[in-house]
Amino acid sequence: DIVMTQTPLSSPVTLGQPASISCRSSQSLVHSDGNTYLSWLQQRPGQPPRLLIYKISNRFSGVPDRFSGSGAGTDFTLKISRVEAEDVGVYYCMQATQFPPFTFGPGTKVDIK
Amino acid sequence: QVQLVQSGAEVKKPGSSVKVSCKASGGTFSSYAISWVRQAPGQGLEWMGRIIPILGIANYAQKFQGRVTITADKSTSTAYMELSSLRSEDTAVYYCARLTVEDWYFDLWGRGTLVTVSS
Repeated sequence: DIVMTQTPLSSPVTLGQPASISCRSSQSLVHSDGNTYLSWLQQRPGQPPRLLIYKISNRFSGVPDRFSGSGAGTDFTLKISRVEAEDVGVYYCMQATQFPPFTFGPGTKVDIK
Repeated sequence: QVQLVQSGAEVKKPGSSVKVSCKASGGTFSSYAISWVRQAPGQGLEWMGRIIPILGIANYAQKFQGRVTITADKSTSTAYMELSSLRSEDTAVYYCARLTVEDWYFDLWGRGTLVTVSS
């Protein structure tokens, strides 16, 4: 199974400041079809997860443009350009290149300083 | 627009089984897959398995093989996840999530079903 790791596991940020989360996979996430099936999800307190980014850098419908994804191979990053109060929650990276199983990172908790 | 509506909370005894449903309200499963993901209290997300309703083919995480069964009823656009031989460690919120079969991401989630296993 592909193991996903994230750093940091906790990220206190100041409103209006940027935030960055790193995600690393134990194997390359490049699929034989040339795509990389790495996505990012946000889980606000008491809510189900919500898709933010798919295939490394594609912002899902309705996701604010302050969220961006980048990376390749085994190293990926989610950036929030200016953190807003509604961004508080836990962020997960997830790989779908090699399954079963789909695997998630442990999550990074973002809260306000 | 389509929503995934899950069945209500359950309390079960150790050793018993639970069956959770997930209905696509306002639409159908179409060509999507449905996955089940669970989250133990204060923990992260854990993928359990998926089914492609139009094909009726299910895949499971090795961890749950033999204990979980995922099925789907195309006529009612409802998916089911049954977990047997329950133990206290199975106490969790169980989510169904719609999975695109082209770009492999979860674009729609149910609100979750809390399953509590307690004697």
